[in-house]
Amino acid sequence: KAGVTQTPRYLIKTRGQQVTLSCSPISGHRSVSWYQQTPGQGLQFLFEYFSETQRNKGNFPGRFSGRQFSNSRSEMNVSTLELGDSALYLCASSLTDSVYEQYFGPGTRLTVT
Amino acid sequence: KQEVTQIPAALSVPEGENLVLNCSFTDSAIYNLQWFRQDPGKGLTSLLLIQSSQREQTSGRLNASLDKSSGRSTLYIAASQPGDSATYLCAVDNGGATNKLIFGTGTLLAVQP
Repeated sequence: KAGVTQTPRYLIKTRGQQVTLSCSPISGHRSVSWYQQTPGQGLQFLFEYFSETQRNKGNFPGRFSGRQFSNSRSEMNVSTLELGDSALYLCASSLTDSVYEQYFGPGTRLTVT
Repeated sequence: KQEVTQIPAALSVPEGENLVLNCSFTDSAIYNLQWFRQDPGKGLTSLLLIQSSQREQTSGRLNASLDKSSGRSTLYIAASQPGDSATYLCAVDNGGATNKLIFGTGTLLAVQP
């Protein structure tokens, strides 16, 4: 069974640009969560999608958005990039809810210059 | 607001030693607790999931315990090996119709050959 895949793996963007990251969950998993990892703040929850609906959102500005498609694949978008958005962005998939483990992808390393 | 703390922040041990990593959380109303390992620059690998109704889980040389009333979990690693060197993260899920993990700050483990 294939694991969670994220594309691209590495990305370099300039301040002010926008970026879209993609996550494909494990087959059959309907929940996709996104996290941001930085040296200063650690791992922080961004948002979670289930059956194309956002179920929960972390404390991030509106520049961070996401969506989920009918095949459970998810994308997150960051507009008007800032230097502080440089981070490892991880997505995780799970079957449905908190009863089940969350499985993480390898992450997308975003560098904003 | 749930806060998760891990002690120690870093640990260096000789190969073969048994060791314990600690995780504390402030809100005992958790749904589950998950332990992960993260290798440098990589995503997270799920090690163990403990449901709130469980006291411990075991996988190979790993044993995780959970004491909800005291807000603590420990990860016991038996007969440590250099390949165990990584950052270990615990994360709690407070349940509800959503998947949202709140992560600790991690313990950086180095096992010396």
